[in-house]
Amino acid sequence: QQPVQSPQAVILREGEDAVINCSSSKALYSVHWYRQKHGEAPVFLMILLKGGEQKGHEKISASFNEKKQQSSLYLTASQLSYSGTYFCGTEILNSWGKLQFGAGTQVVVTP
Amino acid sequence: EAGVTQSPTHLIKTRGQQVTLRCSPISGHTSVYWYQQALGLGLQFLLWYDEGEERNRGNFPPRFSGRQFPNYSSELNVNALELEDSALYLCASSSGQGAAQYNQPQHFGDGTRLSIL
Repeated sequence: QQPVQSPQAVILREGEDAVINCSSSKALYSVHWYRQKHGEAPVFLMILLKGGEQKGHEKISASFNEKKQQSSLYLTASQLSYSGTYFCGTEILNSWGKLQFGAGTQVVVTP
Repeated sequence: EAGVTQSPTHLIKTRGQQVTLRCSPISGHTSVYWYQQALGLGLQFLLWYDEGEERNRGNFPPRFSGRQFPNYSSELNVNALELEDSALYLCASSSGQGAAQYNQPQHFGDGTRLSIL
């Protein structure tokens, strides 16, 4: 039931763009995105809800394709601070509050 | 605003022992979530408490249990510790009551690193 994230890792230069994908085999109610830096707690980035509502930081963009049960997180004009491991957490219908997290995507942004 | 606080930060136990981990949510948050993060892996959902009740549970054996107190703080108890229980245990909290409790951002604490020898 865990969502599948891709790619597993990506290396970017400052200013470059990247897309992180998250796919589920289950019908989703929401997708949550978090970033975790080494040795730190995960930090909330965004929630995307079935029906199109989004909650999150203005500088982060993401999409949720309800038909395909997929979400994508867009890292635009990457900065050094974007480095970390990105996790998507999916909440399936009728299983409220239970987030199933993917294995993570490691992002390294170099100068 | 104080964040989610967890104690202790590190713990070393031996197989068969029992352990209790503690979590204090952000002031005003009523929901507390527990996750297990094994080294280099993703987060595995353990438990969700809200208003003192267990609302949902992950695929973990019954020796993983917990509770939430009237002040919304929470404990995670693990009995009969096994080597594979070695992990970072993260607590998160979120706001909202009733229907508004769903789909709220979860704010994580720094975790408790549990090592089983």
